[in-house]
Amino acid sequence: GQQLNQSPQSMFIQEGEDVSMNCTSSSIFNTWLWYKQEPGEGPVLLIALYKAGELTSNGRLTAQFGITRKDSFLNISASIPSDVGIYFCAGVWAGTALIFGKGTTLSVSS
Amino acid sequence: DVKVTQSSRYLVKRTGEKVFLECVQDMDHENMFWYRQDPGLGLRLIYFSYDVKMKEKGDIPEGYSVSREKKERFSLILESASTNQTSMYLCASSSAAINSPLHFGNGTRLTVT
Repeated sequence: GQQLNQSPQSMFIQEGEDVSMNCTSSSIFNTWLWYKQEPGEGPVLLIALYKAGELTSNGRLTAQFGITRKDSFLNISASIPSDVGIYFCAGVWAGTALIFGKGTTLSVSS
Repeated sequence: DVKVTQSSRYLVKRTGEKVFLECVQDMDHENMFWYRQDPGLGLRLIYFSYDVKMKEKGDIPEGYSVSREKKERFSLILESASTNQTSMYLCASSSAAINSPLHFGNGTRLTVT
């Protein structure tokens, strides 16, 4: 089936540092989405990307849809303790269903 | 705001029991999904539905079935629970618009003993 490779698997950073994570796939997706999951909660949508090359920001978060449509990255600038969580990339498959990466677990120490 | 509600946060069942996980959404979304989440494996799609009484298999449908009798409700059924079905189960919904994002419930943590 479809697969997304998300890296890194985990990150341990200091408050104030910038963070970068990415997803790649052997398949082309029409939409890339980035979600964040906090402990005990379901994933919450952060950013949606709909066009190849698109660069979108949401506060301190910036995400880009790769030109090849097979990759995407998410950057977090000036991290703060509440950025802690698991970040998932997702590609839309079959127009409706999402395929998720395995997640990047972010830990931020103050 | 979209609300996706899963009926139980925690469930403990015995091997061989029939288990029902219920999910309700309040935004009149056409599409509904069931995922399971396991450490190191991320979220894997079990089944999804794009209309009442319609269902499609995801990546890991074995051992599961689903029911969508009403638009707002999507049930996941474990016909005979097994220990390898111990997991976090996440329900989600989305509108029929192409590439519409998913909205998730808070999950049901199922333990099968």
